[in-house]
Amino acid sequence: QKEVEQDPGPLSVPEGAIVSLNCTYSNSAFQYFMWYRQYSRKGPELLMYTYSSGNKEDGRFTAQVDKSSKYISLFIRDSQPSDSATYLCAMSETGNTGKLIFGQGTTLQVKP
Amino acid sequence: DGGITQSPKYLFRKEGQNVTLSCEQNLNHDAMYWYRQDPGQGLRLIYYSQIVNDFQKGDIAEGYSVSREKKESFPLTVTSAQKNPTAFYLCASNNRPGQKAKNIQYFGAGTRLSVL
Repeated sequence: QKEVEQDPGPLSVPEGAIVSLNCTYSNSAFQYFMWYRQYSRKGPELLMYTYSSGNKEDGRFTAQVDKSSKYISLFIRDSQPSDSATYLCAMSETGNTGKLIFGQGTTLQVKP
Repeated sequence: DGGITQSPKYLFRKEGQNVTLSCEQNLNHDAMYWYRQDPGQGLRLIYYSQIVNDFQKGDIAEGYSVSREKKESFPLTVTSAQKNPTAFYLCASNNRPGQKAKNIQYFGAGTRLSVL
């Protein structure tokens, strides 16, 4: 079993839809949770960062962490064609290495 | 502009050849990382370095080697021992990973390596 599981999709939605992306994990020591967005043939860019449990909102994006269920989510409201990309969840423990464990990535296509 | 520069963008390797991928950062970050990305598999850690002249193996280090002679540079060599090198390689950096750090990594644009 992988430490972090993410449905690879692909996920196809119409423009304006609400998108829900999810990851589950098995390591209860994870404290830092991130979502990266990766456009085709580009490097990942940080989209959202959350420490421990709770919600964080930034514009059309909301990140949720439920540590009791070992489950994190990213919601995209009013999705746009420019949101079409691969979304990677990543997480890490506290500690000195800064190592991140990534999910497999979910490919999202938003159709006009 | 501060950031991470990877070169070349595309690289071709012949049978039995070693090739080196460049990664340079001007963010003054202490830690640097190399990942390999294959379709549907996310990012897998090859090597990482938290300080100059020190580095550790990641999950898939076999067939790869690195050096960290300068803080800003972390080149990756794909050796002939790596039998399936075709992949997208990503370099990342992190400022002072530790107990109170956010552990956010920043990525370069990647190098796509193919075998001739």
